[in-house]
Parts: sequence; C-alpha cells; structure tokens
Amino acid sequence: KQEVTQIPAALSVPEGENLVLNCSFTDSAIYNLQWFRQDPGKGLTSLLLIQSSQREQTSGRLNASLDKSSGRSTLYIAASQPGDSATYLCAVRPGADSNYQLIWGAGTKLIIKP
Amino acid sequence: SAVISQKPSRDICQRGTSLTIQCQVDSQVTMMFWYRQQPGQSLTLIATANQGSEATYESGFVIDKFPISRPNLTFSTLTVSNMSPEDSSIYLCSVESVSKAQYFGPGTRLTVL
Repeated sequence: KQEVTQIPAALSVPEGENLVLNCSFTDSAIYNLQWFRQDPGKGLTSLLLIQSSQREQTSGRLNASLDKSSGRSTLYIAASQPGDSATYLCAVRPGADSNYQLIWGAGTKLIIKP
Repeated sequence: SAVISQKPSRDICQRGTSLTIQCQVDSQVTMMFWYRQQPGQSLTLIATANQGSEATYESGFVIDKFPISRPNLTFSTLTVSNMSPEDSSIYLCSVESVSKAQYFGPGTRLTVL
C-alpha cells in the first residue's frame, strides 16, 4: 500500500534563505507526483507536476526533483520570501487509470520570517 | 490549467439543514472530484462526479449524505445534507487535466453550529 510522508511537519526560516522540503513514498511504481501549496482556509494551488519519466521540473524560484528508485521528491525554494509562507503538500498518483486516486502527504507548514 | 470557481466561498449553517456547493470550470473536463478537508487534516476524497451518471463514492461516504450532480462537463454540485458540527470542513472540487495533473477550486469553508 502506497504511503506518502512529508518531513518536517513544520519549518520556520528567515527570509532570503534557500530551503528544501521533502516528500517520500513507499512504492516506486508511480505515474506522477504533484506539489501544491495551500494558504490557511483556502484551496490548493498546483506548483509543479513531475511525470514518472522526469527527474525534475522548474518554475521560477521553485525546483522539484524526483528519484523514484529511492522513493523521494524534494521541493527546493530559492531566496525565500514571506509570501512563500503556506502549507506545502505533495501527492502521488499510483497509475494512469482513472481508478487511481491521489495519495497525499500530511504537508509541511512553512513560515518565512521577515 | 483550468480555472475553477466555487460558490459559496464560506457559510455558517445550523445543524439539520443542507447546503449545496457549486463548482464551475472554464473548460470541459472529463474528471471532476469532490474532497473534504477537516480542520488540521489532509484531504479526503468524497467522490468522483460523473457526467450523466451517478457519482462514484469513496468508502465512508454515501449518496444520501452527499448527493452530487454533474449535468455537464463544466459544472457540478455537492450537497451536504442534514448537517452536524462534524461536517465543518473545507470542501474542495478539483479537475484532472489530460496530463493527469489535478487542479483545485478555492474551496468552500463550512461551519456548522
């Protein structure tokens, strides 16, 4: 059974630092992995999608990597800003068939201190 | 990516009443989903909204409590029936793209007194 874990559960860093959020999964047979951010009481914003054949994706200051063999993905945030404060969630899709549903991590709550 | 809107954005309801949440997408999509996020928890899938047929519910969720309509490929509603305080959550609709990415609406924050 696929399980997704995000460590740490919470992280507080000063503004301007580069940081890495971690997502691990127990079964390497995945179709894709997606990173989201969620602001308090709000919906989810899709940040990056990595297909199983890809090693990384980049969008602005964000870079997500995928290592299926080790069951890990990382989200790298460069030059962090207070506006990056949010909960970051990763989700794994086990297969392409419509019967497969996303398996969610519990999230990392990130606070960027001005 | 699709642009998704939800109405209402939040509501405060009395126990025993029902609330219908609307989800509108700016393009036709095949797969549309409804999720619940209880306070401090991760997302739980309620059901897949199927166009032209009954929704497919996940374990622990039933049609009598969460009836869903999907009259076309851009619109769906979720009703939370006979509400109790335990139904206080954020309710989210999402859609799936051709590349199997999911995109979410802004959510409906429900408080049941």
